Amino acid sequence: TQLLEQSPQFLSIQEGENLTVYCNSSSVFSSLQWYRQEPGEGPVLLVTVVTGGEVKKLKRLTFQFGDARKDSSLHITAAQPGDTGLYLCAGEGSSNTGKLIFGQGTTLQVKP
Amino acid sequence: GAVVSQHPSWVICKSGTSVKIECRSLDFQATTMFWYRQFPKQSLMLMATSNEGSKATYEQGVEKDKFLINHASLTLSTLTVTSAHPEDSSFYICSVEGLAGSYNEQFFGPGTRLTVL
Repeated sequence: TQLLEQSPQFLSIQEGENLTVYCNSSSVFSSLQWYRQEPGEGPVLLVTVVTGGEVKKLKRLTFQFGDARKDSSLHITAAQPGDTGLYLCAGEGSSNTGKLIFGQGTTLQVKP
Repeated sequence: GAVVSQHPSWVICKSGTSVKIECRSLDFQATTMFWYRQFPKQSLMLMATSNEGSKATYEQGVEKDKFLINHASLTLSTLTVTSAHPEDSSFYICSVEGLAGSYNEQFFGPGTRLTVL
């Protein structure tokens, strides 16, 4: 069974600080997606990483896919209160059914 | 990405009644849709895969007779919670599968908050 371990599960920081969220597995994923979800809404896709070692940037957010495609990280620079939310990583499994395997999620609170 | 809507956005019902939730793909023909449920401050839990024109595939532990899924067209999938009970109260979210080159992406609806009294 493929699993994604996401850490930390909760993070409360001050505005302007940097943070990193990790997503780790012992299995290889063909692609991995990061989502952000606000309370009472559905997850919104931030980025998909596909190639081992790939780095993608989205303004102050930097996403990295591990060389072996078993892990990924999300780094936020100079966090702002608007970054507050639930961050989810999800990998496309090896079963080729289109199903996504989700990490446990990271609840981020950025205090002004 | 695909634009997905859900209706209703929230519903309150009495125990024992049935509730239908609609998931629509507004700009994309979706052969496959997924249904998830989510408890507060937790991740998404996949309930079932909805396939247009065929029976849904349910995840282990999900009662198919309680959570009826119908995917009669390429733009609409419905989830009916039959004989709802308070423990069925949750946030239900659907997603549409889209192919982006060599990999699949999922685009989520805004969710439906179900409260069973």
